[in-house]
Amino acid sequence: DVQLLESGGGLEQPGGSLRLSCAASGFTFSTYTMSWVRQAPGKGLEWVSVISGAGDITYYPDSVKGRFTIFRDNSKNTLYLQMNTLRADDTAVYFCTTILNGAFDYWGQGTLVTVSS
Amino acid sequence: EIVLTQSPGTLSLSPGERATLSCRASQTVSSKYLAWYQQRPGQAPRLLIYGASNRATGIPDRFSGSGSGTDFTLAISRLEPEDCAVYYCQYYSSSPRYAFGQGTKLEIK
Repeated sequence: DVQLLESGGGLEQPGGSLRLSCAASGFTFSTYTMSWVRQAPGKGLEWVSVISGAGDITYYPDSVKGRFTIFRDNSKNTLYLQMNTLRADDTAVYFCTTILNGAFDYWGQGTLVTVSS
Repeated sequence: EIVLTQSPGTLSLSPGERATLSCRASQTVSSKYLAWYQQRPGQAPRLLIYGASNRATGIPDRFSGSGSGTDFTLAISRLEPEDCAVYYCQYYSSSPRYAFGQGTKLEIK
């Protein structure tokens, strides 16, 4: 079975940094495009970043471009999200997902990031 | 940039009834990249439909998707209490961009 397990969330001050991890199992990780999607408390879903299977192609929406970096270690079956210059509106549950044909087909349970002083 | 608008905001129906949820795109989109998700309270979203009308693995045939152009529909027949959730549509464009609708909350009376 496909499993995605996020970790690394927590409380951080505005302007600070956090690194999220997503441990993947149950599929050939290196062949899958991966993504991070977030959900602010009580709000809808927002795509945050995407990375190709080889890790050489990445994309971001304008809301996080220049602050967030997605990367992966295929030898460890792990996806990462480095978040810098955090803002209060980055507060959300962050989900790790696989992508197939433009759809987010498998999701982890998420990790909560709270940005507050 | 494509904007997805879902309606209604909230839908309240009884068990056994049929739900019809709408997703309208601000411009014509490819059906190949239109998906629907279910998010039950306290859980992660789950893919229901991809390519506008294809059920994801393990999704019962009570769930069906249809539509083309700018108008897409998720239908849920024979409603069950476990269908109580927020449903999101989502579109992928080749920029790439991934856009979500704002969600429809389905309540089971």
